[in-house]
Amino acid sequence: GQNIDQPTEMTATEGAIVQINCTYQTSGFNGLFWYQQHAGEAPTFLSYNVLDGLEEKGRFSSFLSRSKGYSYLLLKELQMKDSASYLCAVIPPDSNYQLIWGAGTKLIIKP
Amino acid sequence: NAGVMQNPRHLVRRRGQEARLRCSPMKGHSHVYWYRQLPEEGLKFMVYLQKENIIDESGMPKERFSAEFPKEGPSILRIQQVVRGDSAAYFCASSPELAGLRTDTQYFGPGTRLTVL
Repeated sequence: GQNIDQPTEMTATEGAIVQINCTYQTSGFNGLFWYQQHAGEAPTFLSYNVLDGLEEKGRFSSFLSRSKGYSYLLLKELQMKDSASYLCAVIPPDSNYQLIWGAGTKLIIKP
Repeated sequence: NAGVMQNPRHLVRRRGQEARLRCSPMKGHSHVYWYRQLPEEGLKFMVYLQKENIIDESGMPKERFSAEFPKEGPSILRIQQVVRGDSAAYFCASSPELAGLRTDTQYFGPGTRLTVL
C-alpha cells in the first residue's frame, strides 16, 4: 500500500530550529513535495526533492533519503507566522500528478 | 499574475441540494486538479482535468459527483443531492503544461468550504 507518516503536532519556540519528519512507504518514488498550509487557507509550495540530499531555501531546508524513504523539513529562526500545518506529498512512479499526501504536521510556535 | 481563483469561499447547502464549486486556474495553466480535505486529514485527490477532457477521475465518487473544464470558463465541481458527509474543504490546483515526465508544481486556490446542514 501507499502510506505517508508525519507527526500530528509539534511545538517550538520563536527563534529556534525545528525539524519535521516525513516517512513514506510507496510502491515507488518520483519525487517529494513539502507544502505549508495556514489554517483555513490553501497549501503553498515550499520545496521539491527528487535526488538525495539537502535543498536549502532561505530559512527553510528540505532533505531526502530515498533509500530510507525519509524526508525532513528544517525551519530555522522560527517566526510566529511559521505556525501552520506542513504537508508532505509523494509522487508515485505511475503518476506525475496524483500526489499521495500525508495528513500534515501542525506546528505551534510559542513566544 | 493572479493566482488560482475559487468561488464561493464558503457554501452552505441543505441535504439533497446541489453544490457547484468553481475554479479558475492561473493564467497559462491548462491542468486542473480537485482535492477534498476533511478536518485534521490530508488532501485526497479527486479528479484531474485538462481543457474539455477528464484525464483521471479515479479519486471521485462514482455517484453524485462530476467535474468539467470547458473550453471557455472555469472548471466546475458539481455535487448533486449533497449529504452531511460531503462537508469538507474542496481545493483546486493548477499546473502548466507537463513536459514529458517532469512533474510540475501544483498551485492551490484558497478552497471552498462546503457545509451541509
